[in-house]
Amino acid sequence: AQTVTQSQPEMSVQEAETVTLSCTYDTSESDYYLFWYKQPPSRQMILVIRQEAYKQQNATENRFSVNFQKAAKSFSLKISDSQLGDAAMYFCAYRSPTGTASKLTFGTGTRLQVTL
Amino acid sequence: NAGVTQTPKFRVLKTGQSMTLLCAQDMNHEYMYWYRQDPGMGLRLIHYSVGEGTTAKGEVPDGYNVSRLKKQNFLLGLESAAPSQTSVYFCASSARAGGYNEQFFGPGTRLTVL
Repeated sequence: AQTVTQSQPEMSVQEAETVTLSCTYDTSESDYYLFWYKQPPSRQMILVIRQEAYKQQNATENRFSVNFQKAAKSFSLKISDSQLGDAAMYFCAYRSPTGTASKLTFGTGTRLQVTL
Repeated sequence: NAGVTQTPKFRVLKTGQSMTLLCAQDMNHEYMYWYRQDPGMGLRLIHYSVGEGTTAKGEVPDGYNVSRLKKQNFLLGLESAAPSQTSVYFCASSARAGGYNEQFFGPGTRLTVL
């Protein structure tokens, strides 16, 4: 079974600075999908960014980008120019290829604080 | 287009009581899921469904039952609630087609069992 590890329970960043959240995973599969979800205080889970393992190019979405290291099984999230609205829980998630009901395996989350 | 909705948003039960959580989606998605979220443990899959009339067990299914009589609805039942089931419950849905199959989440239900 796949496992996802987020080793930073809490992180803090100053507004306008850059922060990187870590995620590692364990799998024997060669193709898979990785996701970062954001959960603000409203509890709503919001997809931030996604990456397919076969794509070597790191995904980017505006101020959010990932550093995907397939050999190291690492999938970190970089938030640039941090804003107060970025304060939230961030979850890393893994999905096996099609055929497994698209189930997600989540990490335990990292709480990000953004300070003035 | 409401996406994924959950009813109720909050509920307090006494030990031994039963209840049903309703999840509805209007995106014509084949797959639906129930997760629970506990502090320090992320989201864990309780049950899921790959289509109308189907259900399957996830990582933590004990104490819960589910039904998917209609494609757009996925019900989660607690027959005899226990304090260990105090949690926030999320429903999600995704399309069956290949690719990223992004899961769309509902707003969650906070359940407290006294």
